[in-house]
Amino acid sequence: SQTIHQWPATLVQPVGSPLSLECTVEGTSNPNLYWYRQAAGRGLQLLFYSVGIGQISSEVPQNLSASRPQDRQFILSSKKLLLSDSGFYLCAWKGTGVGYTFGSGTRLTVV
Amino acid sequence: AQSVAQPEDQVNVAEGNPLTVKCTYSVSGNPYLFWYVQYPNRGLQFLLKYITGDNLVKGSYGFEAEFNKSQTSFHLKKPSALVSDSALYFCAVRERMDSSYKLIFGSGTRLLVRP
Repeated sequence: SQTIHQWPATLVQPVGSPLSLECTVEGTSNPNLYWYRQAAGRGLQLLFYSVGIGQISSEVPQNLSASRPQDRQFILSSKKLLLSDSGFYLCAWKGTGVGYTFGSGTRLTVV
Repeated sequence: AQSVAQPEDQVNVAEGNPLTVKCTYSVSGNPYLFWYVQYPNRGLQFLLKYITGDNLVKGSYGFEAEFNKSQTSFHLKKPSALVSDSALYFCAVRERMDSSYKLIFGSGTRLLVRP
């Protein structure tokens, strides 16, 4: 079966520290992968998407970057976190059908 | 660009009563529409989608949605609400990007079902 894993579930980081959030999918190959951010428990904003290894597209300019070192691995990173990076980060994948599956999310608090 | 709007920040309903969560869309061409539910500190769970065909789409947990082309709406409905339905609901539309698709989400509607 197809599953998506995201970790960690929660993270508290000081301003200026680095960030690495990981997302992996199982049971599928060559998925389209996405990173969304949800601020203030409401709307979701697409940050990055990837259609294949090493292929990253950014939707909005920001303090974050993404990488896809393996087919089923998608990483969200930052060299120096800002307070405004706090939020709920969601990874998602789209398979060959129309549907999208979301991970369980990471709650990031920058202090 | 495609977009969806959820005009209500919150919907309150008594358990056992029917519920409706509203969504309107603005798209060029035929829309691919979705409903997702989010429980506190959790990821989004898929409820249902409309691609083509019957205007009434049935989904998970007894939810259904009605696609109305003339009113450009895709309202989520349930005949009898449960307290456990209390959550944040998102309407979304699929938009084409350069080499893929993405989901554009509405701002979300919080559903509160009181006992």
